[in-house]
Amino acid sequence: DGGITQSPKYLFRKEGQNVTLSCEQNLNHDAMYWYRQDPGQGLRLIYYSQIVNDFQKGDIAEGYSVSREKKESFPLTVTSAQKNPTAFYLCASSKGLAGGHVAYEQYFGPGTRLTVT
Amino acid sequence: GENVEQHPSTLSVQEGDSAVIKCTYSDSASNYFPWYKQELGKRPQLIIDIRSNVGEKKDQRIAVTLNKTAKHFSLHITETQPEDSAVYFCAASVTGNQFYFGTGTSLTVIP
Repeated sequence: DGGITQSPKYLFRKEGQNVTLSCEQNLNHDAMYWYRQDPGQGLRLIYYSQIVNDFQKGDIAEGYSVSREKKESFPLTVTSAQKNPTAFYLCASSKGLAGGHVAYEQYFGPGTRLTVT
Repeated sequence: GENVEQHPSTLSVQEGDSAVIKCTYSDSASNYFPWYKQELGKRPQLIIDIRSNVGEKKDQRIAVTLNKTAKHFSLHITETQPEDSAVYFCAASVTGNQFYFGTGTSLTVIP
C-alpha cells in the first residue's frame, strides 16, 4: 500500500504529553484531512487543508493542531488540552478543489491508534 | 452544518441475499455522496460514489441510488459473499472541503 502513509501504527503516551502523528502522501494531492474514529461514531473531521500553508478547523478541532509546510505532509499534534485523546486517527487526501467546488474521492492512510493513559 | 444519518447500525444476511443500507442528509446543497468499506483494522476504501446529477449508479454487484427530493441515498449489494462482511460508511459533501460521515453499518454475511 503506497500512496498515503501514517506512522506509527500504534502510539502510547502519558496524559499531559503532546504527541505528533505523521501523515505523508505521494499522490500529488492538494487536499489533506485528519479524522478521528471512535466506536459507533463514524469519522469526525478534525482539520483539513486545501493548499500548502493553509488549513481549516473541522467539527472537533479543539485540543489539536496541524501544519502544512509541504504538499506531501500534514502532521497532526494532539495536545494535552484534548480531553479524550485515545482514539483511532485517520489521515486522508484528495485531488482537492483547484478553486472550484467539486468534491473528489478521498484516499485514506492506514491509521494510527493512539492510547493515552 | 450537514447531518448524515445511517441505518441500520448492524445488518446480517445470508450469503447470496441482498443487503441495503440507507442514509439521509440534511443539507440540500450536498452534491457528492461516497460509500466506503472498512474491513477490521484496515483503512476505509471507496467502493462507489454518486453525484447529485445522477439518480443511480452501478458497479457489478454494488449500486447506489440517490433521491435528492427526499434527501436520502442507499447502498445496495446483491448476491452477497462472506468477503462483503465489513463496516460500511456513507458520506456527503458540498464542495469537498468537508465530508460528513454516517455512523457506519456493520454488515455480516453468513455463509
